[in-house]
Amino acid sequence: NAGVMQNPRHLVRRRGQEARLRCSPMKGHSHVYWYRQLPEEGLKFMVYLQKENIIDESGMPKERFSAEFPKEGPSILRIQQVVRGDSAAYFCASSPLTGLSTTGELFFGEGSRLTVL
Amino acid sequence: KNEVEQSPQNLTAQEGEFITINCSYSVGISALHWLQQHPGGGIVSLFMLSSGKKKHGRLIATINIQEKHSSLHITASHPRDSAVYICAVPMNYGGSQGNLIFGKGTKLSVKP
Repeated sequence: NAGVMQNPRHLVRRRGQEARLRCSPMKGHSHVYWYRQLPEEGLKFMVYLQKENIIDESGMPKERFSAEFPKEGPSILRIQQVVRGDSAAYFCASSPLTGLSTTGELFFGEGSRLTVL
Repeated sequence: KNEVEQSPQNLTAQEGEFITINCSYSVGISALHWLQQHPGGGIVSLFMLSSGKKKHGRLIATINIQEKHSSLHITASHPRDSAVYICAVPMNYGGSQGNLIFGKGTKLSVKP
């Protein structure tokens, strides 16, 4: 009964490159959330996805960032043309809830730590 | 838009002490989350509660909806409880439930 799986755990990119972070939710969970934790700062919501749908992307930067959760395969957070300020830990969580406004327990992955040189 | 305040920011305790961490928020919520972030960085959900009290082992979480306040208690604290404890609530009442606003965290250190 695997938990939320994130990979890679650590990723190093040079400025201008692309970063792709993957998240496989727990079995049976169809709701995925991405959060970012900048160094020495708290967690911040980025995006909430269900299979093939973006439900709430109000926390995503307007440029260079995108997220998807395809019908098959993991959710992917994509950062194009990375800059040093993108260096952070990116956490994915999944939930078994069935309703948009129903609060469910969140299960977190171990995080992906992106370093931009 | 909700705002979350946690106190204290840092807490040092001796093994065996009773610990209390507080969380206040400004806008009505459907539920509140308590999370634990280990020194290695991983995050574990401890509680999700919308009323009353929940207990899991030595951890107890309470919430007072009218006063917009929650507390996390640790009884008989142990060095392995050393971690950052984070409170989180929905950004907006009735908004998408994963759109959480997080407290800055309380860094707990329990000395043997």
